[in-house]
Amino acid sequence: KNEVEQSPQNLTAQEGEFITINCSYSVGISALHWLQQHPGGGIVSLFMLSSGKKKHGRLIATINIQEKHSSLHITASHPRDSAVYICAVSVDKIIFGKGTRLHILP
Amino acid sequence: NAGVMQNPRHLVRRRGQEARLRCSPMKGHSHVYWYRQLPEEGLKFMVYLQKENIIDESGMPKERFSAEFPKEGPSILRIQQVVRGDSAAYFCASSLPTGSNGYTFGSGTRLTVV
Repeated sequence: KNEVEQSPQNLTAQEGEFITINCSYSVGISALHWLQQHPGGGIVSLFMLSSGKKKHGRLIATINIQEKHSSLHITASHPRDSAVYICAVSVDKIIFGKGTRLHILP
Repeated sequence: NAGVMQNPRHLVRRRGQEARLRCSPMKGHSHVYWYRQLPEEGLKFMVYLQKENIIDESGMPKERFSAEFPKEGPSILRIQQVVRGDSAAYFCASSLPTGSNGYTFGSGTRLTVV
């Protein structure tokens, strides 16, 4: 079993829909990260969380430390949000999930 | 640009040649991490360095791969005698000690072995 599990693996939605990507982990962590990777592109760090909730524009990230679970939400999704979203946890190093490939249709 | 700089962006090597990938950390960051992303796979940790020290190299293949982060200059990931299976995207990230302020990623180097 992977230490970081993401769901769904792939997600296609219509523009404007509310998107939720989930991440569960099985190890004790110091922080959780949400990253974005566009095709052929680099990686952008979206959030680093150790508790609670963070919001940046249309993106919201939450974490429940007791349940070892985090969610990334995108409100009013747009085709430019199409990317791979990666959950990663900080232990003594970073452990990555396999990513969720999001495709927003116009 | 105060971010993490990786070069080259794309690197093509013939089998048996050496590949050198460079990473200049974000200004003020003293810790560097290298990750590999194989085609259609997730990111995998390779090595964690601070200036002149390797902290954790548990993700590095036992042979042909080495990394350094000298007192002056960028961190270098070196792959000797490359094989087709080394073709991947190699990402570098940097942080303050402990990563307490998060990590900043570079744009990656895409290595193609022909």
